[in-house]
Amino acid sequence: GENVEQHPSTLSVQEGDSAVIKCTYSDSASNYFPWYKQELGKRPQLIIDIRSNVGEKKDQRIAVTLNKTAKHFSLHITETQPEDSAVYFCAARRGADGLTFGKGTHLIIQP
Amino acid sequence: DAGVIQSPRHEVTEMGQEVTLRCKPISGHNSLFWYRQTMMRGLELLIYFNNNVPIDDSGMPEDRFSAKMPNASFSTLKIQPSEPRDSAVYFCASGAGGPREQYFGPGTRLTVT
Repeated sequence: GENVEQHPSTLSVQEGDSAVIKCTYSDSASNYFPWYKQELGKRPQLIIDIRSNVGEKKDQRIAVTLNKTAKHFSLHITETQPEDSAVYFCAARRGADGLTFGKGTHLIIQP
Repeated sequence: DAGVIQSPRHEVTEMGQEVTLRCKPISGHNSLFWYRQTMMRGLELLIYFNNNVPIDDSGMPEDRFSAKMPNASFSTLKIQPSEPRDSAVYFCASGAGGPREQYFGPGTRLTVT
């Protein structure tokens, strides 16, 4: 089955700086890669996703890049703000299958 | 739309008791997923349904766990008998099928003492 590795497990950045979280996946048939943000005690919320026929996608301060050959994808957050503090999960999915999640990154924005 | 609805939101039970978690997916969605979240194991897929049919239950940890989807608007996850290591947050999610977004419910926090 699919295996998703996520790094780092904790990331602390100064407010206004950029944050990058990286993930690798094992199943070359995976074709959908979402990123979820989860605040304490809340449900995971989708913040951005990318399909395997696209190399990059951007939504305001958030961008995701995908390298299918290397089987890795990354989340980039620019101009970080205090409300960006949360746990971020990457995931991979093949077709209509369920999501396989990474272990999560605790992002801390230092004022 | 009310989103994915789960009940109960919190459940505290004693070891050995039967626990039933409930989920109502978003109307029109044909895929339903059950996930479990713990500190040690993160977010894990337990089982998913397409058009009310179970497709992959390889994530169900033991025979003590069972899930049903009798119709397009309702699913249950049952644990019988429950054990302390089943303590976790159980999320239900629904989607329109294919490589698209899954919408998560608020989760059920289960504590087994």
